[in-house]
Amino acid sequence: QKEVEQNSGPLSVPEGAIASLNCTYSDRGSQSFFWYRQYSGKSPELIMFIYSNGDKEDGRFTAQLNKASQYVSLLIRDSQPSDSATYLCAGGWGKLQFGAGTQVVVTP
Amino acid sequence: EAGVAQSPRYKIIEKRQSVAFWCNPISGHATLYWYQQILGQGPKLLIQFQNNGVVDDSQLPKDRFSAERLKGVDSTLKIQPAKLEDSAVYLCASSLGGLAGVETQYFGPGTRLLVL
Repeated sequence: QKEVEQNSGPLSVPEGAIASLNCTYSDRGSQSFFWYRQYSGKSPELIMFIYSNGDKEDGRFTAQLNKASQYVSLLIRDSQPSDSATYLCAGGWGKLQFGAGTQVVVTP
Repeated sequence: EAGVAQSPRYKIIEKRQSVAFWCNPISGHATLYWYQQILGQGPKLLIQFQNNGVVDDSQLPKDRFSAERLKGVDSTLKIQPAKLEDSAVYLCASSLGGLAGVETQYFGPGTRLLVL
């Protein structure tokens, strides 16, 4: 069974701090990785994707991929209350496997 | 650009009844996906279409679930008969439909199904 694993949280982060989310995957054939944000009662919305080893930055978000260690991470800088949501990690090649998500709570 | 459209948004049925969901993908997107998301879990792929052909339906419970995309645009997902464990959000997503790898998928608002 090809799996994507995430800590369920909740991850409590003070406003303005950095939130660090981690994800591991079992399928070494996975080439593409995505981070989605899902507010309660809403559908997932794409934050960013990463294909290559290393870091990729987009605004306050940085994704990191280490294929040798089979992990993907997401950093959220200057966390805002509006960042409070569940963050889904997904990866695969031809078919996406989703993790169960990490709940992030940003406290004022 | 209009996003992925789904209807209905909510549905409550009794077990053993049938239900159908509709999805209209982003214009020009060749690939369409149906996911099931149970509360507290990540989305699970039920079926993937490339135009009007099925790419992957390995996790579709074929004894009760069916899906079609006859003209390569809209799609319907049907459950007949429904079971209590089918209570979930059914998400439709679409992507451009490239030749390889995994593409960015864009999700619709979902249909929340409650089976009583």
